[in-house]
Amino acid sequence: EVQVLESGGGFVPPGGSLRLSCAVSGFTFINYAMTWVRQAPGKGLEWVSFISGSGHTTYYADSVEGRFTISRDTSRNILYLQMDNLRADDTAVYYCAKRTTDSGFNYFDSWGQGTLVTVSS
Amino acid sequence: EIVMTQSPATLSVSPGERATLSCRASQSVYINLAWYQQKPGQAPRLLIYGASTRATGIPARFSGSGSGTEFTLTISSLQSEDFAVYYCQQYNDWPPDTFGQGTKLEIK
Repeated sequence: EVQVLESGGGFVPPGGSLRLSCAVSGFTFINYAMTWVRQAPGKGLEWVSFISGSGHTTYYADSVEGRFTISRDTSRNILYLQMDNLRADDTAVYYCAKRTTDSGFNYFDSWGQGTLVTVSS
Repeated sequence: EIVMTQSPATLSVSPGERATLSCRASQSVYINLAWYQQKPGQAPRLLIYGASTRATGIPARFSGSGSGTEFTLTISSLQSEDFAVYYCQQYNDWPPDTFGQGTKLEIK
């Protein structure tokens, strides 16, 4: 059974930093790209970042480019999101999702329960 | 960036009836579209990918259709557990993966 579990959220002042973790099990981690998606309170889903299975390719939403860094530890089956210079509009539940590519189709088929990040003074 | 627009924002339907949700892309995404269901306090759940392929374990009452820029998610004979928010997402032209703003399906 695939399991995805985020941690590391919390309360942080503007300009502060936080590192989110996402521990996964039930699949061969290195074979799958991973993604962070966030959801501001009462709002919709926003894609944040992508990392390939090998970790060699990363992408970021314009809103977080230069402030967030995605990485993965394939030996420990953990995905990370380092968030620096946080702003109030980064306040959201952050979800970690497994990205499956199948016959040319891409989709997020396993999601964690999310971890809440609150940026406020 | 491809913009995904869902309509209506809120849909009120009675249990047992059919619900039809729409999603429009600002440019063609072919069939590279997925649908997700999200219940309050829960993570999104994949329902449909490739515009019409049901994900593992998704009941047959959920069906997806469309291609290019116009897509539809149909839920036949609504069950109580189907009342939730539904999002479409394109992955044809990424990054970024873009989501629609969601349609809230509520009990009439």
